[in-house]
Amino acid sequence: GNSVTQMEGPVTLSEEAFLTINCTYTATGYPSLFWYVQYPGEGLQLLLKATKADDKGSNKGFEATYRKETTSFHLEKGSVQVSDSAVYFCALVPGGSYIPTFGRGTSLIVHP
Amino acid sequence: DTAVSQTPKYLVTQMGNDKSIKCEQNLGHDTMYWYKQDSKKFLKIMFSYNNKELIINETVPNRFSPKSPDKAHLNLHINSLELGDSAVYFCASSQGELLAGGLQYQETQYFGPGTRLLVL
Repeated sequence: GNSVTQMEGPVTLSEEAFLTINCTYTATGYPSLFWYVQYPGEGLQLLLKATKADDKGSNKGFEATYRKETTSFHLEKGSVQVSDSAVYFCALVPGGSYIPTFGRGTSLIVHP
Repeated sequence: DTAVSQTPKYLVTQMGNDKSIKCEQNLGHDTMYWYKQDSKKFLKIMFSYNNKELIINETVPNRFSPKSPDKAHLNLHINSLELGDSAVYFCASSQGELLAGGLQYQETQYFGPGTRLLVL
């Protein structure tokens, strides 16, 4: 079956620190990969995505590269801000499928 | 303009009551979803409708019944509410692409703001 594994949080960083949130997946075929972000009290919103191997998704200073050989899609940002404090979800959609699979979410707390 | 909207935003009710949550999307998408998010932020898909037809029905008690009057709306009715139903319920939508062989492919999900349900 399909699954997404994320590192457990919370991840606590100081402002301007480097961020990595690990995500690995198991899927049949060639899935599309996503990072969603959920700010406090809100719904999830797409942060970035990649649809094939070696693609890099990027948005708002965040990046993630689709690594088929390691089945990973780690999220990185060079310098986090307090406003990045949120819960981050890694997700996949298998090719030709309706059904998304989400990771359990990783909470990020950024201190001034 | 709000892309995916839900009402109500907060719902506090007694055990045993029946309640409904409404969802509307103005994105022209053909697929809509209901998710349940527990207190640990775990997100679980409950239902999905494509062009008003049920296509995903995960292991959810029969007390939960989705209804899609048209492509833009997907409502969730819950009978005989229980304490364990307390959670945040999210509606979402996505657009399919028709692939060769008649398969559809769904990608980015657009989420509503959530309905916070508390059962006392």
